[in-house]
Amino acid sequence: AQSVTQLGSHVSVSEGALVLLRCNYSSSVPPYLFWYVQYPNQGLQLLLKYTTGATLVKGINGFEAEFKKSETSFHLTKPSAHMSDAAEYFCAVADRTGTASKLTFGTGTRLQVTL
Amino acid sequence: EAGVVQSPRYKIIEKKQPVAFWCNPISGHNTLYWYRQNLGQGPELLIRYENEEAVDDSQLPKDRFSAERLKGVDSTLKIQPAELGDSAVYLCASSMGLAGSWDEQFFGPGTRLTVL
Repeated sequence: AQSVTQLGSHVSVSEGALVLLRCNYSSSVPPYLFWYVQYPNQGLQLLLKYTTGATLVKGINGFEAEFKKSETSFHLTKPSAHMSDAAEYFCAVADRTGTASKLTFGTGTRLQVTL
Repeated sequence: EAGVVQSPRYKIIEKKQPVAFWCNPISGHNTLYWYRQNLGQGPELLIRYENEEAVDDSQLPKDRFSAERLKGVDSTLKIQPAELGDSAVYLCASSMGLAGSWDEQFFGPGTRLTVL
């Protein structure tokens, strides 16, 4: 079974400050890892993903994440926060079964950006 | 290209009443997912279809929940009768159904259900 732990249900940063959202996973097989963003009253949008290859992955809106196998982590970062980054962020791990992949989500981290 | 379409966006019902949610996936996507997202939680998979076949419904409470995907395109998720604990956002997602690679899921905006 796979699981995801997101440390901190709420994170508040000032505009222009570094964003760091933490994610640790548990998986018995090499994982696929994802970050999704959810704006109010909208569905989830894929920010970035790690499947194979380079462990530092870049996504949309200036976000990036690094897969660290030794730490079982996949933390999300952005050098400079913008007001438009305020949203809920979900880390997820994929379990490949058959032709599709089953996602297991963390409980989410709400990012607040202040002036 | 249109994304995943869901309706209604909001639904308020009394407990013990039936309710149905509709999902239209992205054209050409063979795999369709229904998730439930409780307040303050991440989405949890209820059922997954590959074409018209339900291939993973292990998390679907079958005593009151049912789903169908006729003709392998649109899908309907039904709850009968609804309970207070069913209040949540119900998300539909679709993917191409690719073998041998990551199969990205695209999510609809969800239906927010409130059971009174």
